[in-house]
Amino acid sequence: EPEVTQTPSHQVTQMGQEVILRCVPISNHLYFYWYRQILGQKVEFLVSFYNNEISEKSEIFDDQFSVERPDGSNFTLKIRSTKLEDSAMYFCASSEALPEQYFGPGTRLTVT
Amino acid sequence: AQKVTQAQTEISVVEKEDVTLDCVYETRDTTYYLFWYKQPPSGELVFLIRRNSFDEQNEISGRYSWNFQKSTSSFNFTITASQVVDSAVYFCALSEPVVDKYIFGTGTRLKVLA
Repeated sequence: EPEVTQTPSHQVTQMGQEVILRCVPISNHLYFYWYRQILGQKVEFLVSFYNNEISEKSEIFDDQFSVERPDGSNFTLKIRSTKLEDSAMYFCASSEALPEQYFGPGTRLTVT
Repeated sequence: AQKVTQAQTEISVVEKEDVTLDCVYETRDTTYYLFWYKQPPSGELVFLIRRNSFDEQNEISGRYSWNFQKSTSSFNFTITASQVVDSAVYFCALSEPVVDKYIFGTGTRLKVLA
């Protein structure tokens, strides 16, 4: 069964460093998403992406964040200058048609 | 505005007990979708069920059952004869067609004790 994959599973980075989280959505899906879950808290929407542009973003998704679909298979989330409070689990999701979203296993980001 | 409330932060039960996890939602739309996800200690989100607002039929899947009540804006989840493997955090979520995102509740941590 096709699934969303994310790499790495765990990323440790120092405060101020740039980090790129990678996702490979399901191949025929057209809608892509990033969500964030700070430890012990709820899952929060960050951004949705369709037709090579952002379709919606939350207030969390400030100028430090960017998304890109650099080729036909990857979908990335870049955090330009990481802060301690960026430590969280980041989930990628993809969708062929609303409302079904398929979530990846997540990347745990630790900022030290 | 969209909102999902899971008032139970943590529930502990003894194995084989039945347990119900509550979910109350708010939406102005007449068309919407509700979901339940399980998050085991390993961290991934495991999809359990999706319901659309036009389908109020309750659903049963093995030991799991869901009660959707539009009149009270609730979508509760019951585990019958709980097992230790059911221990996890359970999230309820809401989606509307024109709003391209899921809104999650704060989750309920279920501990099933042997």
